[in-house]
Amino acid sequence: DVKVTQSSRYLVKRTGEKVFLECVQDMDHENMFWYRQDPGLGLRLIYFSYDVKMKEKGDIPEGYSVSREKKERFSLILESASTNQTSMYLCASKTTGYTEAFFGQGTRLTVV
Amino acid sequence: AQRVTQPEKLLSVFKGAPVELKCNYSYSGSPELFWYVQYSRQRLQLLLRHISRESIKGFTADLNKGETSFHLKKPFAQEEDSAMYYCALNRGASGGSYIPTFGRGTSLIVHP
Repeated sequence: DVKVTQSSRYLVKRTGEKVFLECVQDMDHENMFWYRQDPGLGLRLIYFSYDVKMKEKGDIPEGYSVSREKKERFSLILESASTNQTSMYLCASKTTGYTEAFFGQGTRLTVV
Repeated sequence: AQRVTQPEKLLSVFKGAPVELKCNYSYSGSPELFWYVQYSRQRLQLLLRHISRESIKGFTADLNKGETSFHLKKPFAQEEDSAMYYCALNRGASGGSYIPTFGRGTSLIVHP
């Protein structure tokens, strides 16, 4: 069974803080993704990575960066958290090709 | 642009009624389409994919290339079907990858 694990279920951070969201998958998937999930807006892609140290911007990368030093781990970094980054963040992984994505349980981030 | 449209934010039905969740897409080439479901307090997970042509939990979805649609149907809704449903397609990206691209989602509520 594929497991995608996000390090925190809930986080509360202050405006201006640097925030790290961690994601680990255990199925040797090449591709990993970070999405933001907001009501009425669906899932919007922030960044994705198709290999170690390879990353590409998604649809809403502003204010975020990512790191993938090991195949199983993909980190999302908010350099300076702002209140408009309060959201649910979903990590996903998949194999290369026409396959489905597997999701983590999500991290609900609140920036105050 | 490669895009998925779910025109309904909310669909409310009574138990035993038929359900159809609409999904339209734009994609150049042969699309790979999926329906994902998120039950309350659970992670987002695959419900079905068009290539499998299978029925899962009584749901089916047929790809109609002429109408560029992939509507999700169930003849008799159950209360446990209440959830958020996302239509998605895999779009081509760097490194031979495919990125899951989601619609905005439809919230299905099945009343007793």
